[in-house]
Amino acid sequence: EAEVAQSPRYKITEKSQAVAFWCDPISGHATLYWYRQILGQGPELLVQFQDESVVDDSQLPKDRFSAERLKGVDSTLKIQPAELGDSAMYLCASSLAQYHRDSNSPLHFGNGTRLTVT
Amino acid sequence: GQQLNQSPQSMFIQEGEDVSMNCTSSSIFNTWLWYKQDPGEGPVLLIALYKAGELTSNGRLTAQFGITRKDSFLNISASIPSDVGIYFCAGQGYGGSQGNLIFGKGTKLSVKP
Repeated sequence: EAEVAQSPRYKITEKSQAVAFWCDPISGHATLYWYRQILGQGPELLVQFQDESVVDDSQLPKDRFSAERLKGVDSTLKIQPAELGDSAMYLCASSLAQYHRDSNSPLHFGNGTRLTVT
Repeated sequence: GQQLNQSPQSMFIQEGEDVSMNCTSSSIFNTWLWYKQDPGEGPVLLIALYKAGELTSNGRLTAQFGITRKDSFLNISASIPSDVGIYFCAGQGYGGSQGNLIFGKGTKLSVKP
């Protein structure tokens, strides 16, 4: 079965440094999501793309976070500068369509990048 | 904003027992999804529900989309050790700001052999 690929799996960085995560969605999936999951919590949406366009970035801390999906395929999430409170799992997910009931295509997650900021 | 209340937060059961967990929402959802997450991994989809009243099974798992569209439950029958993990419900509305997939805080399941 096709998978959402994410790298790196683990990242340790010092506060104030820049860090970047990469995601390659399932082929053909137009919708791509970045979620942040703090330990013991459910995933929370940071940004959603439809093809190369941002659909929702209302929960993205734009002073330090940025995301792009230039060609509508893979995506990069960047944090600069990283803060201690950014330590979390960053999950990428993709789906065929924004509204899962439209395509009977639910969201599929990658295995995430575990970020530790020291 | 929309919130999901998932319960219980954690469960400790004996192998072979049945398990039930549920999610309730203050808002109507048009889609309910149930995921399982193992430590260090991303959530894996278990069951997707798209219609109010729908009852769907996947092996020993059964999930229902509540008639009011504000709740869903997941049942696991005859639990086994590999059922251990965190189970998340997720709901999606339709249109505008309702379109985001909202996750519950998870139910941590522990199974004693």
